[in-house]
Amino acid sequence: DGGITQSPKYLFRKEGQNVTLSCEQNLNHDAMYWYRQDPGQGLRLIYYSQIVNDFQKGDIAEGYSVSREKKESFPLTVTSAQKNPTAFYLCASSYREGYTFGSGTRLTVV
Amino acid sequence: AQSVTQPDIHITVSEGASLELRCNYSYGATPYLFWYVQSPGQGLQLLLKYFSGDTLVQGIKGFEAEFKRSQSSFNLRKPSVHWSDAAEYFCAVGSYNQGGKLIFGQGTELSVKP
Repeated sequence: DGGITQSPKYLFRKEGQNVTLSCEQNLNHDAMYWYRQDPGQGLRLIYYSQIVNDFQKGDIAEGYSVSREKKESFPLTVTSAQKNPTAFYLCASSYREGYTFGSGTRLTVV
Repeated sequence: AQSVTQPDIHITVSEGASLELRCNYSYGATPYLFWYVQSPGQGLQLLLKYFSGDTLVQGIKGFEAEFKRSQSSFNLRKPSVHWSDAAEYFCAVGSYNQGGKLIFGQGTELSVKP
């Protein structure tokens, strides 16, 4: 079945460490997105990519980095510069008006 | 500025009662409008979407929504709520011409009383 796979489901990071969240899709969608979810704040866009080897900052890109070397993959790195990284991270892909979301990764800083 | 407002943070309804979740948006272009539902710790499931045409949209699980351009609203309704409808609901707006980015409301948490 086609869909989006996010891994791992739970991730723990020590302060000062970088960590990479995986997002893979087999839907052949051109566009991919990373959202951050915090209680009471809805989903906020971190980065998005409309085509391979190109990506744009969203509303809260500081402290994050991405790459888009393959159409299927859009990994998100949470760097040590991100001051409050504990959150639920959702990856999505789209083709025209159809959006599909992954099941999310919960990142906790310990 | 582009934004989505869901005025109700938390709503409690009795099982079998009707439900209306409010959504207002501010968006420069003609928007696409979406309602998603999220169970705890899960991703988002699409309930319904509006792109054009008939302003009353039918979705899954018995939900419907009505687009009212004059009021910039896209309220979600269900005539009879089931206990399994308890979840968080998000309204979102986007446009393919805006890079396909979705702007989300803050969400409305729905509790269902037996």
